[in-house]
Amino acid sequence: DGGITQSPKYLFRKEGQNVTLSCEQNLNHDAMYWYRQDPGQGLRLIYYSQIVNDFQKGDIAEGYSVSREKKESFPLTVTSAQKNPTAFYLCASSINQEETQYFGPGTRLLVL
Amino acid sequence: GENVEQHPSTLSVQEGDSAVIKCTYSDSASNYFPWYKQELGKRPQLIIDIRSNVGEKKDQRIAVTLNKTAKHFSLHITETQPEDSAVYFCAASRRGASGGYNKLIFGAGTRLAVHP
Repeated sequence: DGGITQSPKYLFRKEGQNVTLSCEQNLNHDAMYWYRQDPGQGLRLIYYSQIVNDFQKGDIAEGYSVSREKKESFPLTVTSAQKNPTAFYLCASSINQEETQYFGPGTRLLVL
Repeated sequence: GENVEQHPSTLSVQEGDSAVIKCTYSDSASNYFPWYKQELGKRPQLIIDIRSNVGEKKDQRIAVTLNKTAKHFSLHITETQPEDSAVYFCAASRRGASGGYNKLIFGAGTRLAVHP
């Protein structure tokens, strides 16, 4: 788990603003994922990437965007189109899509 | 679509008692079932997982059982300790199936409180 980092730990967004959450891993994992966690709910998949320069929408991709230009990095942008962005965002990675997912420490996004 | 139901949503036990959390899945092709523990404000951490070719797996005080016929699996924690207090999530997926990524479907979580 220590090989996956997320920053910042807390992020504040103003209305109409785009913000980017960072996720980095040094585990040489091919697959990376973004989840959203709301209080009292399980994790919901936003986007995933099985390999560099490729990514796919998950269950709740609207209002979010990602890129995967490097194997180690999978940043998530929360756009102004996401009307209810307040949540705990978790990044995960795995050796490939078949193997166990390991999570980063999370970023808590709050709206001002 | 695929769904995983988890019960109970909250569970309170006395230290030393056992705790059992149950999950039911809808996709009969699911064959991989991990359990994650999440302490307050922290990341989920894998504590045990089971694949469909076995019915039970044990690791010290933690065990998971799987009933494929009934499509449910359970987490058993024996001799609970205060440090077991956390939210526990079950999940299910189809490993090895063709046709792209077979995503993990998570249950809603169980908040376990172990009282000294």
